[in-house]
Amino acid sequence: QVQLQESGPGLMKPSETLSLTCAVSGHSIRSGFYWGWIRQPPGKGLEWIGSIYHSGSTYYNPSLKSRVTISVDTSNNQFSLRLSSATAADTAVYFCARKSGSAWFDPWGQGTLVTVST
Amino acid sequence: QSALTQPPSASGSPGQSVTISCTGTSSDVGGYNYVSWYQQHPGKAPKLMIYEVTKRPSGVPDRFSGSKSGNTASLTVSGLQAEDEADYYCSSFAGSNNFVVFGGGTKLTVL
Repeated sequence: QVQLQESGPGLMKPSETLSLTCAVSGHSIRSGFYWGWIRQPPGKGLEWIGSIYHSGSTYYNPSLKSRVTISVDTSNNQFSLRLSSATAADTAVYFCARKSGSAWFDPWGQGTLVTVST
Repeated sequence: QSALTQPPSASGSPGQSVTISCTGTSSDVGGYNYVSWYQQHPGKAPKLMIYEVTKRPSGVPDRFSGSKSGNTASLTVSGLQAEDEADYYCSSFAGSNNFVVFGGGTKLTVL
């Protein structure tokens, strides 16, 4: 049974870089699939941030591309998100998920709330 | 890359059927049979309910079904039950760069 778990700081200041890690268990990242990040601002809908293939190929939402980096660490079976120059608009619950080639996400991590505030 | 369009709300009584629409363009919904639907209860992570337009993952009741016509995909929930009350989001593959686009979400109320 594949499980994903996000981790990272819950509070950060504007202009800092948001960094989150998603630990994967029950499936080896290097054996295939894509892996993705999705966020959900409080009370709002889902937004795809980006995805990474196990080989390291990355795909980013054009609206965030200039600030986003997704990387994979096959040794520790985890992947990470970095979002630079954070603002209050980046306050959201951040989910990690396994992604298929036909763009469905399953399973999802439980999500982690990141608040950007002074 | 714009969000897919969903109605903000939908409702039905127990036992009834309700259909939620998801409208995109020929660059996403209309261009590929890669539409998926997610159910999200408050404070929980989304759960995959339908993938590749019509397929149901193991464990999802057959009361949930998906379809597509042109640039519009639909999720139908038959035999509504109280536990179906949740937010529902559609999503689509959106191009050769492996882009993904979500809908704005629909709040389903079971009356």
